[in-house]
Amino acid sequence: DSGVTQTPKHLITATGQRVTLRCSPRSGDLSVYWYQQSLDQGLQFLIQYYNGEERAKGNILERFSAQQFPDLHSELNLSSLELGDSALYFCASSVGQPTNYGYTFGSGTRLTVV
Amino acid sequence: LAKTTQPISMDSYEGQEVNITCSHNNIATNDYITWYQQFPSQGPRFIIQGYKTKVTNEVASLFIPADRKSSTLSLPRVSLSDTAVYYCLVGERDTGRRALTFGSGTRLQVQP
Repeated sequence: DSGVTQTPKHLITATGQRVTLRCSPRSGDLSVYWYQQSLDQGLQFLIQYYNGEERAKGNILERFSAQQFPDLHSELNLSSLELGDSALYFCASSVGQPTNYGYTFGSGTRLTVV
Repeated sequence: LAKTTQPISMDSYEGQEVNITCSHNNIATNDYITWYQQFPSQGPRFIIQGYKTKVTNEVASLFIPADRKSSTLSLPRVSLSDTAVYYCLVGERDTGRRALTFGSGTRLQVQP
């Protein structure tokens, strides 16, 4: 157990639907990062939150949005889903200060759009 | 961020030492070199980080030559459980405040 909790582990939904992925960061970590990993794209950074505020955006589609709540958990909302959105979605967290142990990733949510 | 180049895949046998080299010709003065490991259907896991010379921990060693234009991750006596994708990342020391940029990584296959 890495300390980063992602739910659900698996999600199957139809095209056009909307889903919400949840991430609870490691205790004490202020930053949350979302990544998408599909077979042909590798690990793609989507968005980062730090202590409740959006800090950086990567290759995130307009159909996707995220937020970080006061208790620091984060949710990634994916809407108008397409077949190509099928992927593993990872959440990572970091303390927000220099460390010698890197970032901590969760075990991911596998999204299948049918 | 400095661009990195590493082999797409490598094969090894149990008990052998594996060395994965990463090239980063345009590494900046403030950049550190970090390696992550990813097992299938799991999130990446931090392995080791270094700035120069040699760093060793309980999992691996990281060798960085004086010009810092490349680095080598060394895994001693690999086992089947070391089969994974290994990513080399180069950038400012983990401040905990920036996103990590992953390349394609090196897929290591360890055979019995």
